[in-house]
Amino acid sequence: DAKTTQPPSMDCAEGRAANLPCNHSTISGNEYVYWYRQIHSQGPQYIIHGLKNNETNEMASLIITEDRKSSTLILPHATLRDTAVYYCIVNNAGNMLTFGGGTRLMVKP
Amino acid sequence: DVKVTQSSRYLVKRTGEKVFLECVQDMDHENMFWYRQDPGLGLRLIYFSYDVKMKEKGDIPEGYSVSREKKERFSLILESASTNQTSMYLCASSQTDYYGYTFGSGTRLTVV
Repeated sequence: DAKTTQPPSMDCAEGRAANLPCNHSTISGNEYVYWYRQIHSQGPQYIIHGLKNNETNEMASLIITEDRKSSTLILPHATLRDTAVYYCIVNNAGNMLTFGGGTRLMVKP
Repeated sequence: DVKVTQSSRYLVKRTGEKVFLECVQDMDHENMFWYRQDPGLGLRLIYFSYDVKMKEKGDIPEGYSVSREKKERFSLILESASTNQTSMYLCASSQTDYYGYTFGSGTRLTVV
């Protein structure tokens, strides 16, 4: 599976958009980009995934560059409850997710 | 919604004890996984199973075994608990990679 690179931490003001970047320059054609988050003392929670096209759901939007070498998770109106570690993962059909260090997002009042 | 239930939220065991961590999912998922999470090391895969009675080693299987006798239940076994197995243990399940994993709330195991 391709490796991902994320900044270790980010801050965001409450109510503003949080844009979390992820580099995955060695991604292969059949690998999806997944985002999970983990709120303190809980199990990771699935957020969104995509292959080539941008995706949006009730939690977030996922923007994948045309060359698929990077992506951005967007939380349009961050709340204090969005404070968590966000993991960007690329995965093929092997069904084994490998979690890196993630980005610790701190949403501040 | 898919629910993954881990039997204990907190557990304290003595060195040398045999420890069973239970995980049950209620959505007929094919795949189940056990991870451990430690500060600075992230989530590491211990074992996974893609069918009843099938198991595969993950990245750190040493000191652990698993059992999957029924599709909905995946047990992690510490044959002889040691202090370096003190950790947060997370169970997950999935049907296909299209929809991602669903994780349980975790079991924080302390071995004294």
